[in-house]
Amino acid sequence: GENVEQHPSTLSVQEGDSAVIKCTYSDSASNYFPWYKQELGKRPQLIIDIRSNVGEKKDQRIAVTLNKTAKHFSLHITETQPEDSAVYFCAVLGYSGAGSYQLTFGKGTKLSVIP
Amino acid sequence: DTEVTQTPKHLVMGMTNKKSLKCEQHMGHRAMYWYKQKAKKPPELMFVYSYEKLSINESVPSRFSPECPNSSLLNLHLHALQPEDSALYLCASSQEGTGIYEQYFGPGTRLTVT
Repeated sequence: GENVEQHPSTLSVQEGDSAVIKCTYSDSASNYFPWYKQELGKRPQLIIDIRSNVGEKKDQRIAVTLNKTAKHFSLHITETQPEDSAVYFCAVLGYSGAGSYQLTFGKGTKLSVIP
Repeated sequence: DTEVTQTPKHLVMGMTNKKSLKCEQHMGHRAMYWYKQKAKKPPELMFVYSYEKLSINESVPSRFSPECPNSSLLNLHLHALQPEDSALYLCASSQEGTGIYEQYFGPGTRLTVT
């Protein structure tokens, strides 16, 4: 099955600085890579995703880059704000057989933005 | 509208009880999922329904029994649970389960087994 590694597990940044979270995966056939933000006590919220035919995607202060050759993708948050503090999960969509796909999640990164 | 709803929000049950969790979406999605999430861990997939048929069962104990009455509803029936089953149970849906589609999560049911 798919193996997803996420680093770092915790990240503290000063407000206004940038934050970068990186994930690696094992299955070269995987082709969809979403990022979820989960605030304490709330649901995982899809914040950005990228498909394998694209190398980079940006949405205001967040961006995701994908390197299919190296099998890694990264989340970039610029001009961080205290409300960016949360746990961020990367995920990889892989084929699980019988015509079905499933997400495999990284272990999460707890981001703290210090005012 | 990308909303998935779940009831109840909180549930406390004894090990001999029978209870059910409910999930609903009205986005026309044809794939629905149950995940279990322990504190400080990522969601773990339990079941996938695609076009109201169970397509993935991740070796979940039989004390958890999923049901998909129609394309908008997903239930998880609970019976004879153990304290270690205490967790946040998340439902999700996507347009289909057979391709690359975004998954949207419901708010979850926080389950405590006493």
